[in-house]
Amino acid sequence: GAVVSQHPSRVICKSGTSVKIECRSLDFQATTMFWYRQFPKQSLMLMATSNEGSKATYEQGVEKDKFLINHASLTLSTLTVTSAHPEDSSFYICSARDRVGALSPLHFGNGTRLTVT
Amino acid sequence: AQSVTQLGSHVSVSEGALVLLRCNYSSSVPPYLFWYVQYPNQGLQLLLKYTTGATLVKGINGFEAEFKKSETSFHLTKPSAHMSDAAEYFCAVSPYSGNTPLVFGKGTRLSVIA
Repeated sequence: GAVVSQHPSRVICKSGTSVKIECRSLDFQATTMFWYRQFPKQSLMLMATSNEGSKATYEQGVEKDKFLINHASLTLSTLTVTSAHPEDSSFYICSARDRVGALSPLHFGNGTRLTVT
Repeated sequence: AQSVTQLGSHVSVSEGALVLLRCNYSSSVPPYLFWYVQYPNQGLQLLLKYTTGATLVKGINGFEAEFKKSETSFHLTKPSAHMSDAAEYFCAVSPYSGNTPLVFGKGTRLSVIA
């Protein structure tokens, strides 16, 4: 089945530093990837839609200059949390469909637990 | 706009008992509906989905869900709970077309008591 790989699974960084999270579709090409954020014991909130070869589309309230998204190839999207602060600590999950269209389910990476100290 | 409501943030059942997790949706167009399961510190795994056709959908691990348009519901059930079913469950809805993201409910944490 379709596999989405996310790396790293866990990262701890100091306040003010930047962290890059990678999301790869291993056995399919993904023109679009979705980045979600999940707070403890809460649901997934869509942060942005990553489009290969073009700018990402951010949801209302998500700072695009803080959460930089790059989708340079059909199998890789990256999320960089710039100048991280403790309030950015969260669980970040990427997802993609292996076929275009809402009929196909989203496949999720295993997530990245970010802790900013 | 589409939305999903999951009734009950926490459900606790005994091992071997029926599991019922409730999900109601709001959509102006025929929706696609999904149930996902999440284990601690992991991503989401698809349990089952409803797109068109048969309204009773069978998924993995013995779960099934029934789409009831008149009730705008898509409740998840399993006849007999196992300890390994303890996890967070999310109901999600997708627009009828396009490569669009899913809208998730707030999740229901299932505990299974031995």
